[in-house]
Amino acid sequence: EAGVAQSPRYKIIEKRQSVAFWCNPISGHATLYWYQQILGQGPKLLIQFQNNGVVDDSQLPKDRFSAERLKGVDSTLKIQPAKLEDSAVYLCASSLRGTRELFFGEGSRLTVL
Amino acid sequence: GQNIDQPTEMTATEGAIVQINCTYQTSGFNGLFWYQQHAGEAPTFLSYNVLDGLEEKGRFSSFLSRSKGYSYLLLKELQMKDSASYLCAGANSGNTPLVFGKGTRLSVIA
Repeated sequence: EAGVAQSPRYKIIEKRQSVAFWCNPISGHATLYWYQQILGQGPKLLIQFQNNGVVDDSQLPKDRFSAERLKGVDSTLKIQPAKLEDSAVYLCASSLRGTRELFFGEGSRLTVL
Repeated sequence: GQNIDQPTEMTATEGAIVQINCTYQTSGFNGLFWYQQHAGEAPTFLSYNVLDGLEEKGRFSSFLSRSKGYSYLLLKELQMKDSASYLCAGANSGNTPLVFGKGTRLSVIA
């Protein structure tokens, strides 16, 4: 079974530029999450989708971050404009409806200079 | 919010046993996950405790006491490949997402 796919794996941008990350969850997984993991810390939830609807985006900095999952399958996370403190690994995870076990992608490492 | 506390770093010797503790506010979670994360890689699932007691899975065991807001991960017969970060994550009721601790970085030395 294919795992959670993410791209790009690495991205370096300058502050105030924009960036987009893409995630394709495991087939059949209705729930999709984006987590931000700053070096040396645990993952912090940015947004949770159930199919194409947002369940929780309370910790998403909406002035600069946006995410969508239009057809309820793959998802895009965008940052515009980026700040230095956005340097982190952006992890996408998915789970089956009604279960709590998360399956993570390999992450997209962002460096903002 | 709900706080999850874990030691930042631990060091243990190859072949030994190590216990990684995790404490959390008792008013929150109704289940506790442990994930392993090697440097530069994604977290991978290790265990899930929803009832009090010990769950054993090979060299790894996980314990939960809901009344005390306490869990631990026990790793036996340590191997060098066990060097990784171990993340404790709490599960609230319903469909709410997991809340992760900062992780414990374990170094296994010869």
